[in-house]
Amino acid sequence: QVQLVESGGGVVQPGRSLRLSCAASGFTFSSHGMHWVRQAPGKGLEWVAVIYYDGINKYYADSVKGRFTISRDNSKNTLYLQMNSLRAEDTAVYYCTTDRWRWGQGTLVTVSS
Amino acid sequence: DVVMTQSPLSLPVTLGQPASISCRSSQSLVYSDGNTYLNWFQQRPGQSPRRLIYKVSNRDSGVPDRFSGSGSATDFTLKISRVEAEDVGVYYCMQGTHWPLTFGGGTKVEI
Repeated sequence: QVQLVESGGGVVQPGRSLRLSCAASGFTFSSHGMHWVRQAPGKGLEWVAVIYYDGINKYYADSVKGRFTISRDNSKNTLYLQMNSLRAEDTAVYYCTTDRWRWGQGTLVTVSS
Repeated sequence: DVVMTQSPLSLPVTLGQPASISCRSSQSLVYSDGNTYLNWFQQRPGQSPRRLIYKVSNRDSGVPDRFSGSGSATDFTLKISRVEAEDVGVYYCMQGTHWPLTFGGGTKVEI
């Protein structure tokens, strides 16, 4: 069955960087687009970014454009989110999802001094 | 950006009774291919979200048939025919037609 395991979250100071990973299994990773979606504590869902199956086309939410980069390694069945210039408002649980909206368990990112 | 507006914010329900959640979009969600990319998600307490409904009215595998979706263009509804205890949680609509993708603010269903 589809399994998505996020990692890389933690506490980071404002202005610093963090890279999240999402290890995928149970499906043909290289054939599917992938998304990152985040959820601030006690808040709703916010779509962050998408990358198409071949890694070429990517789209971002305005709130992260220019700071976050989504990428993938199809040889490793892994999705990434490079987060630079982090802000307090980036504090959230970050989920990776497939293009058919199967979700991982999420990883918590806390941006705080 | 397309704004997704859900109502109500909170929905007290009675077990065995029907429930309904509304979702309205600021633009038509009909895509150039003729499909309407409107999804519904359920997030139970302490869990990751899961998709219930895609393209307005199609149930995902394993979703009980008491859940149904309807609507068109800018007005959509998720209905639960008979609420069960396991249906407690927050429900979100999400449009997949226009970039950036956007979610509604959520409706909390509680017994």
